[in-house]
Amino acid sequence: AQKITQTQPGMFVQEKEAVTLDCTYDTSDPSYGLFWYKQPSSGEMIFLIYQGSYDQQNATEGRYSLNFQKARKSANLVISASQLGDSAMYFCAMREGRSNDYKLSFGAGTTVTVRA
Amino acid sequence: NAGVTQTPKFQVLKTGQSMTLQCAQDMNHEYMSWYRQDPGMGLRLIHYSVGAGITDQGEVPNGYNVSRSTTEDFPLRLLSAAPSQTSVYFCASGKIYDNYGYTFGSGTRLTVV
Repeated sequence: AQKITQTQPGMFVQEKEAVTLDCTYDTSDPSYGLFWYKQPSSGEMIFLIYQGSYDQQNATEGRYSLNFQKARKSANLVISASQLGDSAMYFCAMREGRSNDYKLSFGAGTTVTVRA
Repeated sequence: NAGVTQTPKFQVLKTGQSMTLQCAQDMNHEYMSWYRQDPGMGLRLIHYSVGAGITDQGEVPNGYNVSRSTTEDFPLRLLSAAPSQTSVYFCASGKIYDNYGYTFGSGTRLTVV
């Protein structure tokens, strides 16, 4: 069964506007971590932000914030004040704590194109 | 501090050939893993290791072998290449208790003809 679902294959956003990338996950493990990665056209994978299942506050890292809704099992990434350099593919990923294998499961990704 | 180093960056193989993709990290990370990335499918885990001498299968292990004789190195072996193994391969490593995500190599683009 798919553990991470990203339903938006591609999105367009105007420069300086905010964009929200959807991510829902499926787990019965009470302890888990959620990650977002950015993959620009050059191909490297860049870690953006982390949210733990027990964290009381939504994670923020500069222009990136995570809208964590635990009951809905969603962990949407919000990019504020979009820049042309934000054009990339974005992946949501989850690591479950109970299995102790530390595997990271990825969604299919969302391509973001920022327009000037 | 080189991070995660993958070689080669590009490779073309003929069906049936074997080869090894190299992955090395100098950050003393316990965890190392191999993923393949195919369009529309995200990254899928092939094999992983939580320490030297310990390896296990991921989601798509068939056709691949790994070993972890040292903390630093985690090579991925293609035993008999098939066109279905045409993909981009990423090695990733990290501290198992770290919340800063895993560090990825720059990837290997493999084409099997």
